[in-house]
Amino acid sequence: GAVVSQHPSWVICKSGTSVKIECRSLDFQATTMFWYRQFPKQSLMLMATSNEGSKATYEQGVEKDKFLINHASLTLSTLTVTSAHPEDSSFYICSASIGRGAYEQYFGPGTRLTVT
Amino acid sequence: DAKTTQPPSMDCAEGRAANLPCNHSTISGNEYVYWYRQIHSQGPQYIIHGLKNNETNEMASLIITEDRKSSTLILPHATLRDTAVYYCIVRSFTGGGNKLTFGTGTQLKVEL
Repeated sequence: GAVVSQHPSWVICKSGTSVKIECRSLDFQATTMFWYRQFPKQSLMLMATSNEGSKATYEQGVEKDKFLINHASLTLSTLTVTSAHPEDSSFYICSASIGRGAYEQYFGPGTRLTVT
Repeated sequence: DAKTTQPPSMDCAEGRAANLPCNHSTISGNEYVYWYRQIHSQGPQYIIHGLKNNETNEMASLIITEDRKSSTLILPHATLRDTAVYYCIVRSFTGGGNKLTFGTGTQLKVEL
């Protein structure tokens, strides 16, 4: 149980284009989903927290207009990287939780984004 | 959440116990100690967590000192597949928060 999937697992896009990454909870309803970014040889950095049906809460320094997060249902959240640039190339990981408080986070396998 | 300190890397022989230390000297009474690991190019995997008492599950054991200022994750019989970055995280659920703050972790290399 508690499986989270991401799609695609990797994507290459050209500079200036937008890319959408999906995060799905397969066997549970996720009230809260989290998006992380990880650069090579670095740790995971939380980008934003999204609760189903409400706007995402972004961490300091993360541009909300560049990284659009939609959590439209209890099993799906999407992250759209708009006008991607090479510096946005990274490993993007989502996690999902069944509640907003004291609940476990279950992580997806990650999406490798390369912007050329 | 309190900050943690871990050694950047450790080596372990296959079949031996791997003991990964974590220092969390500023932990407060309502904060839990969590351990995750991340195998290269994958998402983090939950291992174990505890508050005060030692804990054991099918993956590992967690030993928390009496003053809760440090802990040790024990993989009793390490295998090559345990090679990963191990993250020790202290975490509070007060105020409705559910954030995980990842530090730099320990790169464990299990070798033949």
